[in-house]
Order: sequence, then C-alpha cells, then structure tokens
Amino acid sequence: QQQVKQSPQSLIVQKGGISIINCAYENTAFDYFPWYQQFPGKGPALLIAIRPDVSEKKEGRFTISFNKSAKQFSLHIMDSQPGDSATYFCAASLRYGQNFVFGPGTRLSVLP
Amino acid sequence: DTEVTQTPKHLVMGMTNKKSLKCEQHMGHRAMYWYKQKAKKPPELMFVYSYEKLSINESVPSRFSPECPNSSLLNLHLHALQPEDSALYLCASSNDRGGTPNYGYTFGSGTRLTVV
Repeated sequence: QQQVKQSPQSLIVQKGGISIINCAYENTAFDYFPWYQQFPGKGPALLIAIRPDVSEKKEGRFTISFNKSAKQFSLHIMDSQPGDSATYFCAASLRYGQNFVFGPGTRLSVLP
Repeated sequence: DTEVTQTPKHLVMGMTNKKSLKCEQHMGHRAMYWYKQKAKKPPELMFVYSYEKLSINESVPSRFSPECPNSSLLNLHLHALQPEDSALYLCASSNDRGGTPNYGYTFGSGTRLTVV
C-alpha cells in the first residue's frame, strides 16, 4: 500500500531525445508527487512536483504527467542533455507529509 | 542561505568507535530528517524531527542516536556500528507546511560512512 513502483531501472537516451520515466502507486491517500534528481556523491535535489488536481505540469524541459484514475505519473525530459545523466527518484506523500515514499530509482544516461 | 550542510563528508570508523554526524540549515525549516542510502537504492527514512521534537523513528537500532539541539542543528550519534551500516547518510529539511508549488525536502550532500 505504501509502495511506489518505478520503471525503467535504467535508461539510455541520445542527446536531444526524450527521456520518459514512469511511476505507479497504490495508496489513494497520497496527495503530493515530487521528482528528485541525484548526481553521484550528492544528495537528491527536488526537480519538480505535482498534486493530483492537475494532469500536467511543465517547468522548462521537465514535464510531469499525472493520471489519477490509473494511479500513475511520469517524468518527461525533453531535449535530453548529457548533464541530465543522473538517478531520478519519484516519490509520494500525504499532504504536507513528513514521510516521503521513494520509488527505487532510474539511472539515466544521455549519450553525447 | 538555501543549503543543508553536512559534516564530515567522509568518515571511516571502527566498530568500537563513537562518532557524530552533523547537519545544519538556516532556512527556517522546522522539520529535519535523517536518511540512510545504500548504493543504487533510494533513501530510507531513519528519523524525523518536527519543531525540535522526535516525531518519527523508523525502528532504527539504538546504535544510532539522533539529537536536535536547536531548530538549525541536527546530529546523529554513532556507536558500536556494524560493517553493514556503511552507507551515505543524508540530512534533509523541509518547511513541513507546504504552501509552495514545489514543496519538498532540501537534502544535504551527505556523509559517506565506512565501518571497518
């Protein structure tokens, strides 16, 4: 019930391509869905987040698509760059929750 | 200041040693967290402090002892650790009341702990 599933485990994309990472959850009480980006040797950094009252949110090259009925959400990285190569974690929490449930992560490699 | 600062960045300790990890933030966040992250795994929550009081302890062994001296500081005291405790220990903070479009944690860069 508390689990967040994430796929794929790893992803290789050519420079300029679109990277797509998918997540799914079970707990319908989750009310907030952030994405974190983590570079080697660094802590995760908040990238973009969405609440279930909207179906899409875009910030620069990063877009979250949210399907409340399917309990799924995804991260799209447009015009992927080598500097985007990192591990991406989706997460979920209750509204203003203090305990985020993280997905297992996706290691993205963008080839030059 | 929009950072969470963790010291030390690297720590090697023996199983009989006592050491402490330190975390500091000056963003006025009233919730602070300790996470443990193993290689190629997501962060795992250990402790949550809210308004300087321990609010969540995720069944962490007593060899890990958290302390929150004030609203800006968070410590993790380590004693009699095992080699399997080797991991990246992350501190995070949040304003715990949302209200911003992208509410979430601000993580530090972590302390890479090796227990020998």
